[in-house]
Amino acid sequence: GNSVTQMEGPVTLSEEAFLTINCTYTATGYPSLFWYVQYPGEGLQLLLKATKADDKGSNKGFEATYRKETTSFHLEKGSVQVSDSAVYFCARRRSNDYKLSFGAGTTVTVRA
Amino acid sequence: GAVVSQHPSWVICKSGTSVKIECRSLDFQATTMFWYRQFPKQSLMLMATSNEGSKATYEQGVEKDKFLINHASLTLSTLTVTSAHPEDSSFYICSASDAGATDTQYFGPGTRLTVL
Repeated sequence: GNSVTQMEGPVTLSEEAFLTINCTYTATGYPSLFWYVQYPGEGLQLLLKATKADDKGSNKGFEATYRKETTSFHLEKGSVQVSDSAVYFCARRRSNDYKLSFGAGTTVTVRA
Repeated sequence: GAVVSQHPSWVICKSGTSVKIECRSLDFQATTMFWYRQFPKQSLMLMATSNEGSKATYEQGVEKDKFLINHASLTLSTLTVTSAHPEDSSFYICSASDAGATDTQYFGPGTRLTVL
């Protein structure tokens, strides 16, 4: 099965609402974890990352904490804006190689 | 920031023809480039990894004779889908790394291939 599982979308929110996108992973060892964002018509961009347990990645108001005990890396933002409308991908890179494994992506639409 | 472009952004071709997709790093030298394939509502799946000047490393199940990858310079990699068939229709995405395969990957916007 897929090594990264993320919440299915699409997700539609109102501006200033709280956003959570769940992501869980499978891996042995200590993988690095990532969230990528893809805005309409653009390539994937690294949003944030965490490389060891209990690390918190943060950027543009988004946060995600590397939880080894629950093998999770959920993405959160306290108050979304219309400009946050995008597809969000959770990804994992194993500690012993360079390959990224991606979740299926979650489409988020924020309405004014 | 690091920018990666792809050309074309979309292409429609007839079954049996070959299609070339270009991936360029615009403001940095890409020592390693990656090619992914994405099916609708599914994950990006790594097809192959290429290092400048050497042969690409293909993932299990990816036909190297069908998906030809060339990484002849530090700013350009090409993916050629040979003798394309409808089942090759997909979204192809490249990424590039400027400091070795373990560093951050910068992604292109993708190319939509439709084979009739």
